[in-house]
This record gives sequence, C-alpha cells and structure tokens, in this order.
Amino acid sequence: DTEVTQTPKHLVMGMTNKKSLKCEQHMGHRAMYWYKQKAKKPPELMFVYSYEKLSINESVPSRFSPECPNSSLLNLHLHALQPEDSALYLCASSHSKGDLGPQHFGDGTRLSIL
Amino acid sequence: QKEVEQDPGPLSVPEGAIVSLNCTYSNSAFQYFMWYRQYSRKGPELLMYTYSSGNKEDGRFTAQVDKSSKYISLFIRDSQPSDSATYLCAMSGGAQKLVFGQGTRLTINP
Repeated sequence: DTEVTQTPKHLVMGMTNKKSLKCEQHMGHRAMYWYKQKAKKPPELMFVYSYEKLSINESVPSRFSPECPNSSLLNLHLHALQPEDSALYLCASSHSKGDLGPQHFGDGTRLSIL
Repeated sequence: QKEVEQDPGPLSVPEGAIVSLNCTYSNSAFQYFMWYRQYSRKGPELLMYTYSSGNKEDGRFTAQVDKSSKYISLFIRDSQPSDSATYLCAMSGGAQKLVFGQGTRLTINP
C-alpha cells in the first residue's frame, strides 16, 4: 500500500462533465504534485504546490484546475476535457520545496474521456 | 538530445539472473538520482534514492551513480518473476522537477 492515496481509482466522464480527482498524504510532506502519464511513457509534470501555494504550472490547459485545501490534500478539478486527456493521473508528495529529493507517488486515477 | 536517456527495452531474462539497468544524462546540475518501479496499473514505487555519487545497496538491489561519466545503474541480483515491471530512472537538481527516463520494461522468466 502506498502512503499517497488517490480517489477514485477509475473515472469515466463525458466531455461536458465536471469531476474532481482527490489526493491525500499523511507523511508531513509540504510539496505535492500532479502528473499525467500516458501508456508506455514516463509521468509528465502538470502542477506543483509548495506549502499550499501553486509554485509550478507546466502550461496546463485551463480545463484542469488544481486546488490545495491544506497540507495533506490536493484536488484536481476537471471540466470540458477532451478525449486526448484520457490517461493515468498521478499525485506525488515530497518533503519541501527546498528538498530536491524523492517524490512518493500514489497509484493514480485512470481517467477515460468519452 | 534528451536530458535523460534510458533504453526502453523490452528486456527479458531468466529467473535468478543479474539484471543491469542504466541511464545516461547530460545535465551536470543533477544531484539526486532515483529508481522507481512501476507495475501495470499502479503508480511508480520508489526503489532507490542516491544523493550525488556512489553506491547504495538495499537487499537484492544496488544503485550506482557515476557523475564523472553522467551514468547511473540499477542492479538486481537473484531476479524473481515478481521483479517484472517497468523501471524508471529519475533525476533532479536545481529545480523542483524530476526528469524521468523513458522507462525499461523488464520481464523475468520462471
């Protein structure tokens, strides 16, 4: 079992739907990340939160909207997605912005856009 | 040229063999080096984490970093079918970003 928990594990949504992905960690980490992973490819960074503030946005389309309500929780709000957005969405956490050390990943949400 | 190069394989070896997985990189600023294991339909699991150069051993796994050659390796001794997975190298330094290799798909045959 991973220490980063993501829900739901699977999500199927239409292009007009609004849904949210959730991530929770209880390791006391102060940096949290969203990644997108397509099949047979490495994860691609989307967003970084450090001390609950957005520090990096990798030019992600506005149909993806991140939120960090507190140091343990990270959400990704989805609206008007496209079929090419179907992928595994991974959440990760690490100690702090100043620590360039390892990130710990959840098992992801497998998202399918109809 | 990619910042991190990793042979995607696939790599297939018999059970009990020693497996060697490698990555090369071009960015001298990288200081942290990681190996992740990813099973199908799971997230990447941190296997080994090394700061700067040197070797690190954990059970059947050994990670090596050679900064002078910009080359990192992961060795798996006495490989088991349960080691079959995709192995991703990742590096960071100077920015709050991990740079991943493409991943190597490994199969251990019983």
